[in-house]
Amino acid sequence: QVQLQQWGAGLLKPSETLSLTCAVYGASFSGYSWSWIRQPPGKGLEWIGEFFDSGSTNFNPSLKSRVAISVDTSKNHFSLNLSSVTAADTAVYYCASGIAVAGQASFDYWGQGTLVTVSS
Amino acid sequence: QSVLTQPPSASGTPGQRVTISCSGSSSNIGSNYVYWYQQLPGMAPKFLLYRNNQRPSGVPDRFSGSKSGTSASLAISGLRSEDEADYYCAAWDDSLSGVVFGGGTKVTVL
Repeated sequence: QVQLQQWGAGLLKPSETLSLTCAVYGASFSGYSWSWIRQPPGKGLEWIGEFFDSGSTNFNPSLKSRVAISVDTSKNHFSLNLSSVTAADTAVYYCASGIAVAGQASFDYWGQGTLVTVSS
Repeated sequence: QSVLTQPPSASGTPGQRVTISCSGSSSNIGSNYVYWYQQLPGMAPKFLLYRNNQRPSGVPDRFSGSKSGTSASLAISGLRSEDEADYYCAAWDDSLSGVVFGGGTKVTVL
C-alpha cells in the first residue's frame, strides 16, 4: 500500500518560490509516475505536472515556465517548485502517484494536501 | 473554464440511480481513457474508476462508468448518504500534452 505524506511552507509573499516535498512510503520510484495537482479554494482540480521513473516530465502548459519537479531517490521524496507566485497560485496542493504509462490521468494514491496561501 | 464539461450538481434520494456526464473532445476523451475521482468534503480526492469503467480494489460495484465518442459518464446506483461528494472526470489531452479535469459535480443525497 503506497502512502504519500507531504509538507512545505503554507504562507508565501508574491514573487517568492513555492516549495513542497512529498515522501513516498511502501513503494520505490520505479514503475510509477509522480504528480502534483492543485485545487484553489472552492474550485476544481488542476494538474500541474508529472515525473516518470525514466526521467521524463510533462507539465501544464499554463505553468510550465515556472514549474520544476525533482526526485530524490535516496530519500524516497519528490518535490515541487513553483516560482514567482501570485495570489492566483493560492490553493491546496496535492502530490499523487499513478501508473508509469504516458498519456494517462491515473492518480491511484494521493497525499493529504497542503494549503498554500500567497499574500502580501 | 474546464476543458472537460460536467454538470455542477446532481442529486437523488437514497436507493436511486444518479448519472454524471463528462463531455470532452477528440483530443482527450475521444482518444484516451477516462478516469473518475471522488472527493469527500475536506478530504483528498480518491481514485474511483480507471480506463473508462474499471474499478480499483475496494470500490463498490454501485459505481460504474461508460464512454462513447467524446463523452463519458459515471453512474451511482443504490445511492447512499456516504456518496455525497464531489466527482471529477479526467483524461489525457493529446493537444495540450497534459491531464485535463472536469469542473466537478457535487452529488447531494436528498
